[in-house]
Amino acid sequence: RKEVEQDPGPFNVPEGATVAFNCTYSNSASQSFFWYRQDCRKEPKLLMSVYSSGNEDGRFTAQLNRASQYISLLIRDSKLSDSATYLCVTLSGTYKYIFGTGTRLKVLA
Amino acid sequence: DAGITQSPRHKVTETGTPVTLRCHQTENHRYMYWYRQDPGHGLRLIHYSYGVKDTDKGEVSDGYSVSRSKTEDFLLTLESATSSQTSVYFCAISLGLEQYFGPGTRLTVT
Repeated sequence: RKEVEQDPGPFNVPEGATVAFNCTYSNSASQSFFWYRQDCRKEPKLLMSVYSSGNEDGRFTAQLNRASQYISLLIRDSKLSDSATYLCVTLSGTYKYIFGTGTRLKVLA
Repeated sequence: DAGITQSPRHKVTETGTPVTLRCHQTENHRYMYWYRQDPGHGLRLIHYSYGVKDTDKGEVSDGYSVSRSKTEDFLLTLESATSSQTSVYFCAISLGLEQYFGPGTRLTVT
């Protein structure tokens, strides 16, 4: 079983739709959580850190559920430019970042 | 922009040859990392560094070595390249808890 699991998708949604991704993690010692966005053949870019109380950045909302060991990402009012792969990442200790394999999102015109 | 560059950006090499990839950062970050990314796998840590001459192994370190003689440079060496090392290699730094990545090196071993 992978330490961080994501539905690979693709999620095909029309412009303007709301879409949500979940990510589950197995290491209860994970302390910090992140969502990254990766475009095809590019490096991952930090989208947002995920805080215990949940956090929002514009159209993006991230939630953490420690009891059930999952994090979620909600994208409202999807844009064509949101099409990418979204990576879920956990951190335990100082350097142990564990990456999910990503969820592909395609926003359709 | 975390000021991270990688070189070369693309390389094709033959099995059995040594290869060195370079990661260069301009902002004096202490922690640097090397990852590889392959289909069906998340990014996997090869080696990381927590200071000049301070390095440690990650999850997939076999066949790789690293060196960090200056804060700004973190070198990854494939001692004798194999086809299983065909991959995209990303360097990263951490700023606080957040990681930032270089543009990647696409390596093909034939």
